[in-house]
This record gives sequence, structure tokens and C-alpha cells, in this order.
Amino acid sequence: GQQLNQSPQSMFIQEGEDVSMNCTSSSIFNTWLWYKQDPGEGPVLLIALYKAGELTSNGRLTAQFGITRKDSFLNISASIPSDVGIYFCAGQDRNRDDKIIFGKGTRLHILP
Amino acid sequence: NAGVTQTPKFQVLKTGQSMTLQCAQDMNHEYMSWYRQDPGMGLRLIHYSVGAGITDQGEVPNGYNVSRSTTEDFPLRLLSAAPSQTSVYFCASSYAYPDSEAFFGQGTRLTVV
Repeated sequence: GQQLNQSPQSMFIQEGEDVSMNCTSSSIFNTWLWYKQDPGEGPVLLIALYKAGELTSNGRLTAQFGITRKDSFLNISASIPSDVGIYFCAGQDRNRDDKIIFGKGTRLHILP
Repeated sequence: NAGVTQTPKFQVLKTGQSMTLQCAQDMNHEYMSWYRQDPGMGLRLIHYSVGAGITDQGEVPNGYNVSRSTTEDFPLRLLSAAPSQTSVYFCASSYAYPDSEAFFGQGTRLTVV
């Protein structure tokens, strides 16, 4: 079945540093999504990407839809304490079905 | 606007008991889904529905049943709970194509003893 490999599994960074995480798939998706989950809450959508090569920003967050349609990355610039949480990538193939498949998440820790 | 509402928030079951996790959305979304979240496993799709009267299996459907009699509601049934079903369950909804943004409920933490 479809699988997403998300890396790294966890990150420990200093406040103010930039962060980069990525997601790769064994199959093609035509939609890539990035979510953030705070403790005790459901995931919240950060960025949605609908076109290969698309580069989209949302404040300090930037995400790109890979040209091969099998990967995506998320960058966070100048990290702040509220960036702590779990970040999930998710892929969706609208041509096949509407299932949204999630990666296992990247847990971000920020050191003071 | 309530969004996606899940009940209950917490539940403890004994092995073999049955229960239904409720999910309701008031955004007139066509697409609804159930995920379970376990440590280190991310979110795994259990069942999903692309509209009233239509359901399909996700990655981990065994032990769970769903139905979609209305657009608003998508309950998840555990017929005979097992300790392996101890998890946090999330319901999500979204519009159908082309909008992929899924809105999640706050989750149900289920413990099976």
C-alpha cells in the first residue's frame, strides 16, 4: 500500500534556528499537506500543495511539492517556542480515491 | 461554528465490550474519516466516507465498523474491544475535490483493559 517516510523522527534545535523536514513516498500523490499537532489537540493544516513544483509560504513556514510528485519538504525559519509540536506530512491522490495518508510525524523540540 | 465534534473525549472499556465513538460536523463536508494515533505510528486511516451512504476501508479497518446515514454524522463502532485498540482516535472532515483541507476533532482517548 501507499506509505510515506517522514524524516527526521525528532529534532532538537535552539530557538531562532531554521528547521527543515521532508517526506517521501513510494507512489505519486497529486496533493501534499502539512499539519501540526499540539499536545492534546487534533492536527491543524499548515500548508496545502496541489501542483508539482509548487512552493508555498505561510508566515515563517515554506513548503514545496516535489517535481517527481513523490516528495515534499517543510521549512520553518527563525523558530520560536510555540513551534514545538508534531509535524505531519500527508499525501492524497485525487485521481484514485480521496484517502489522505499520513507520515509518522516529526517531533520538534526547541531548547531555550 | 462547532466544526468537528467528537464524543466522548475519554473512555475506558473492558475487553469484549462494544461502544460507538461519535463524530459530527456542521460544515456540510462530504468527506469524513477516522484515524487512530499510536506512539511512533503517526495517524493511520481506519475507515473513510466520500458521502452519505458510501464508506470504504482504510489501512487498519479490522475490528471497526462505520456507517454514514447522514452528511453530518460518521460514527465508529467497536464491536468487541481488544487491548490492541487502545489508542487516540481522531475524526476528520473535508470538502470533496478540489479542497483537501481536513478539519480534525479533538480526539477520543480510548483505553481497553
